[in-house]
Amino acid sequence: GAVVSQHPSWVICKSGTSVKIECRSLDFQATTMFWYRQFPKQSLMLMATSNEGSKATYEQGVEKDKFLINHASLTLSTLTVTSAHPEDSSFYICSAIWWGQSEDTQYFGPGTRLTVL
Amino acid sequence: DAKTTQPNSMESNEEEPVHLPCNHSTISGTDYIHWYRQLPSQGPEYVIHGLTSNVNNRMASLAIAEDRKSSTLILHRATLRDAAVYYCIPTSGSARQLTFGSGTQLTVLP
Repeated sequence: GAVVSQHPSWVICKSGTSVKIECRSLDFQATTMFWYRQFPKQSLMLMATSNEGSKATYEQGVEKDKFLINHASLTLSTLTVTSAHPEDSSFYICSAIWWGQSEDTQYFGPGTRLTVL
Repeated sequence: DAKTTQPNSMESNEEEPVHLPCNHSTISGTDYIHWYRQLPSQGPEYVIHGLTSNVNNRMASLAIAEDRKSSTLILHRATLRDAAVYYCIPTSGSARQLTFGSGTQLTVLP
């Protein structure tokens, strides 16, 4: 149980285009989803916290107009990187907490590798 | 958030036990201690968590010091597939966020 998927697993795009990444909880309802970014040889950095049906909360330094997050249902959150540039190339990872869980365990997706040319 | 200190790297021989230490001296009384691991080019994977008592599951054991200022993740028989970065993370209570440190890179030697 507690499986989280991401799609696509990797994407290559041209500078200036937008890319959408999907995060799905496959066997549970996720009231809260998190989006992380990881640059090579670095640790994960939290970008935003997303609660179903409400606006995402972004971490300091993360541009909310550039990284659009939508959490429209209890099983799906999307991250759209708008007007992507080479510096946005990174490994994007989502995680989810299921409804009713009290011990803060997060379940992570496999990640999406974004390369912006 | 509670600060954590983990060794940057550790090595183990295959099929031998591995003890991965973590210091979290500023942990609050209600924070759980979570351990995750991340294999290369994958998202983190939940390993185990606990509050005060030692915990066991099919992947590992977690030994928590009586004062809760440190914990040790125990892999009873390391395999090559256990080579990963291991993160020790006290949770942030109601914030529910995870703050990842640099973790411990475990290398398993055949």
